[in-house]
Amino acid sequence: EPEVTQTPSHQVTQMGQEVILRCVPISNHLYFYWYRQILGQKVEFLVSFYNNEISEKSEIFDDQFSVERPDGSNFTLKIRSTKLEDSAMYFCASSEFKSRIVGLEAFFGQGTRLTVV
Amino acid sequence: AQKITQTQPGMFVQEKEAVTLDCTYDTSDQSYGLFWYKQPSSGEMIFLIYQGSYDEQNATEGRYSLNFQKARKSANLVISASQLGDSAMYFCAMRESSLDYKLSFGAGTTVTVRA
Repeated sequence: EPEVTQTPSHQVTQMGQEVILRCVPISNHLYFYWYRQILGQKVEFLVSFYNNEISEKSEIFDDQFSVERPDGSNFTLKIRSTKLEDSAMYFCASSEFKSRIVGLEAFFGQGTRLTVV
Repeated sequence: AQKITQTQPGMFVQEKEAVTLDCTYDTSDQSYGLFWYKQPSSGEMIFLIYQGSYDEQNATEGRYSLNFQKARKSANLVISASQLGDSAMYFCAMRESSLDYKLSFGAGTTVTVRA
């Protein structure tokens, strides 16, 4: 069964360093997302990406964040200068194209646990 | 205002019994979708079931069913015949037609199944 793959599963980084979280969405999917889950809290939307551009972003997704689809298969989230409060589980998700957007199921990756020290 | 409210932070259920997880939502859209995801202790998010706002019948998927009461804006998840492997965090989420792409999640309910 096709799945969303995220690497690494766990990353520890020094405060102020840049990190790149990688995702390989399901191959025929056209919508891509990043979500964040701070430990013990709910899942928060960061950004959605369609047709090689950002479709929507939340207030969390400030200038330190960026997304890219560099080669048609990978979808990356870059955090330029990490802060302690960026420590969280980051989920990548993807959805296939359907005319009824509302019914789109998002398939999630297994997550990358980012720890900023 | 919260779009998705899950009022039960934690629940215990006996193996083989049914459990109902509450979810209420807030939207002014006519077209929206409601989703339930399961998050085991390993951390991944597993899609369980979907209900569309125009679907007249309650969604069912194996042991999972969704009790959709549109007028009350509730979409409760019922897990029948609970198994030990059902112990996990369960999230209710919504996608609205006016916000095409993102899912809005509730705070989650932790379910612990006892043998």
